[in-house]
Amino acid sequence: NAGVTQTPKFQVLKTGQSMTLQCAQDMNHNSMYWYRQDPGMGLRLIYYSASEGTTDKGEVPNGYNVSRLNKREFSLRLESAAPSQTSVYFCASSENGLDQPQHFGDGTRLSIL
Amino acid sequence: RKEVEQDPGPFNVPEGATVAFNCTYSNSASQSFFWYRQDCRKEPKLLMSVYSSGNEDGRFTAQLNRASQYISLLIRDSKLSDSATYLCVVDDSSASKIIFGSGTRLSIRP
Repeated sequence: NAGVTQTPKFQVLKTGQSMTLQCAQDMNHNSMYWYRQDPGMGLRLIYYSASEGTTDKGEVPNGYNVSRLNKREFSLRLESAAPSQTSVYFCASSENGLDQPQHFGDGTRLSIL
Repeated sequence: RKEVEQDPGPFNVPEGATVAFNCTYSNSASQSFFWYRQDCRKEPKLLMSVYSSGNEDGRFTAQLNRASQYISLLIRDSKLSDSATYLCVVDDSSASKIIFGSGTRLSIRP
């Protein structure tokens, strides 16, 4: 069982470059999430998709866009990367909504120079 | 006051000891509570959901105290493999939010 798969696992970008982080889940979950985790801080929700066809802003959406491509896939895009976006990014899914347990991918370590 | 607060630790305890830590939350309307564990440089993994009546899973017991707005995690007969960071998670469905605590670091020594 793959669960939640994220690609890439590591990435180094220059300031101003763009990139898309990919996430796919094979658990037939309705809800998917993108988080960032910075040292000494809890995970912070960037965007989430409660169900296919919907997306909503989380706590820290500025500088990011998302696409819920289909039920399985939820991508995160940085249009113009900034050093402040250096972080570890986690994708997660849950059966149906924020009040349910979440399953996480193993993260993308992103550095912006 | 932070929405979810945890003692960052580290808690350094000998193998076989019992250890407990709490997590306080600010929104009295929160309905769903979870404990996750996160190993160094790994993803969070669900440890257990926390129910109003409390719940137990082997050596782990979670409790919810709504009056004082905190949840607790008790680990009995601790193992070396319990060394990790434990994350408290609280939902605020009314605001469509989920809040992760910064975590409590636990280190079990032989």
